[in-house]
Amino acid sequence: DTAVSQTPKYLVTQMGNDKSIKCEQNLGHDTMYWYKQDSKKFLKIMFSYNNKELIINETVPNRFSPKSPDKAHLNLHINSLELGDSAVYFCASSHRGTSGGRETQYFGPGTRLLVL
Amino acid sequence: RKEVEQDPGPFNVPEGATVAFNCTYSNSASQSFFWYRQDCRKEPKLLMSVYSSGNEDGRFTAQLNRASQYISLLIRDSKLSDSATYLCVVTQRTDSWGKFQFGAGTQVVVTP
Repeated sequence: DTAVSQTPKYLVTQMGNDKSIKCEQNLGHDTMYWYKQDSKKFLKIMFSYNNKELIINETVPNRFSPKSPDKAHLNLHINSLELGDSAVYFCASSHRGTSGGRETQYFGPGTRLLVL
Repeated sequence: RKEVEQDPGPFNVPEGATVAFNCTYSNSASQSFFWYRQDCRKEPKLLMSVYSSGNEDGRFTAQLNRASQYISLLIRDSKLSDSATYLCVVTQRTDSWGKFQFGAGTQVVVTP
């Protein structure tokens, strides 16, 4: 009964390739996020969707394109992968409602991306 | 300057001892504060929220000092299972949607 699941868990690919990471949550949450955790362990938000609408779009190369087909899914597509994209990508979800940033975020297990 | 800063550690703590560490934040408009825990090669999980008056959850005590803009976490009677990286999280309401800002984490290693 995984609450937030991501696929794949590991992704090894060549520079220049295009890849996608999928995320699904079964918690009934209205908000989903993508974070990148680099080698220094710093967890940085990339995107956030609330009820399928993009609400946070940090300074991320436009090679990264999120897509939310419904409230339970948030996918991340990356074009023309670069060496610097190697990191762990975490999906998360929360029920924002009216709590405005006080809610708990639940994270997926992460996708370890290695670009060669 | 990073918005949320933490001493990376590691803090090496004998089992049964007490350890405490802080997290400083730069935005005085910061609204909500949390401690998350991240085990090696795992996802972050909420440990506890931090309330203005300070709060306890078992062996864990969190404090907020708004004047000096830091939060703290104290772990009493440390267990081996407390070994992890502790992430400080701060949210700000710069627009309608508060963003979660994570610190880089403080590593705690509890030794037998």
